[in-house]
Amino acid sequence: GEEVAQTPKHLVRGEGQKAKLYCAPIKGHSYVFWYQQVLKNEFKFLISFQNENVFDETGMPKERFSAKCLPNSPCSLEIQATKLEDSAVYFCASSHGGDYGYTFGSGTRLTVV
Amino acid sequence: QKEVEQNSGPLSVPEGAIASLNCTYSDRGSQSFFWYRQYSGKSPELIMSIYSNGDKEDGRFTAQLNKASQYVSLLIRDSQPSDSATYLCAVKGSGAGSYQLTFGKGTKLSVIP
Repeated sequence: GEEVAQTPKHLVRGEGQKAKLYCAPIKGHSYVFWYQQVLKNEFKFLISFQNENVFDETGMPKERFSAKCLPNSPCSLEIQATKLEDSAVYFCASSHGGDYGYTFGSGTRLTVV
Repeated sequence: QKEVEQNSGPLSVPEGAIASLNCTYSDRGSQSFFWYRQYSGKSPELIMSIYSNGDKEDGRFTAQLNKASQYVSLLIRDSQPSDSATYLCAVKGSGAGSYQLTFGKGTKLSVIP
């Protein structure tokens, strides 16, 4: 498809529960990126994939966050034992790589209560 | 630490005027620069990309790049109320992991009818 599909749109979790977010990139895009947007506009890079391989994970809080992009499946971002500060909008984006910009999905709003 | 700085605004301009949005970046080796528009509660939408020094025009939008000054700008001519949004400057860095975009915190633009 020509859009990055993210599910669910909204997710509410109690503190300590697990959260799992999904992203289907645009067909033909080999790069997938996850960003966390907090405090209105601040984008924090989490992780990127080139096809199913981790490309850059320098932004991931590794003790609780994990991500995968498996063949023929949506990519996923999982947060174990959520904390209040994980409340944010999580955006997935995909790209051809190189000098191309990203196309963003509509985001998943995670609220931890 | 790669940084992208933008004036947070809000920037208010009357309808029909030119809106000028500015961005500076710290990574001197950066090669690709992007402007995204984000409406409140929505995902960022790519509106301009620029890679070479000088101006690039697309409709009412003009991106300007000066690599020596590490400065990128976006001009919006004949501003319309529908242009009211947050504009994010994004820079693709140099070296390993260079497909990662670093975002500024955005400039909120209000176009007054």
